[in-house]
Amino acid sequence: GQNIDQPTEMTATEGAIVQINCTYQTSGFNGLFWYQQHAGEAPTFLSYNVLDGLEEKGRFSSFLSRSKGYSYLLLKELQMKDSASYLCAVMDSNYQLIWGAGTKLIIKP
Amino acid sequence: DTAVSQTPKYLVTQMGNDKSIKCEQNLGHDTMYWYKQDSKKFLKIMFSYNNKELIINETVPNRFSPKSPDKAHLNLHINSLELGDSAVYFCASSQGVREVLIGSDTQYFGPGTRLTVL
Repeated sequence: GQNIDQPTEMTATEGAIVQINCTYQTSGFNGLFWYQQHAGEAPTFLSYNVLDGLEEKGRFSSFLSRSKGYSYLLLKELQMKDSASYLCAVMDSNYQLIWGAGTKLIIKP
Repeated sequence: DTAVSQTPKYLVTQMGNDKSIKCEQNLGHDTMYWYKQDSKKFLKIMFSYNNKELIINETVPNRFSPKSPDKAHLNLHINSLELGDSAVYFCASSQGVREVLIGSDTQYFGPGTRLTVL
């Protein structure tokens, strides 16, 4: 079956750096997405990786290793507004998005 | 000028009732989706339409019927509501087929409809 694994919850301190990991097993691979979802709101797009390596976008970076079925989202200079759930999603060979359950990130002052 | 809008935002109803959720996107996208997010926060795709035609129909009870009058709208009608239907339902849209083939199709989500069945 298809599977996306992420930690359920993480806690970090304002101003620090946090890495949220995602491992996946899917039938085929057409890219990996990271979405941010604040409580009670819709998911919003953060990043897309289809090739191995690191994609940097401001305070957020996303890394992909296709051979390991692994990605991480790196958040730097954490702010209180970064408290949210971070969803990893993989597009499979049928171009369908398979979603992880999300990682709830709690930022403490 | 909301990109993807849904109505209503909250819906509380009794078991056995029939209800509809409306979705509209003004992004000019070709593809629209309905997702269900349950209490465990898993996002599960229910339907996908491309240019008014159904392209994905996951294992969803027949009580759920999507209707796409045009490519900017995808409404969800639910018959004979059950307790297990309680969830947040998200509508989303994306550019469509070409981007899907490239594998880079970013989806834009509506604000969600919180359905509570009593």
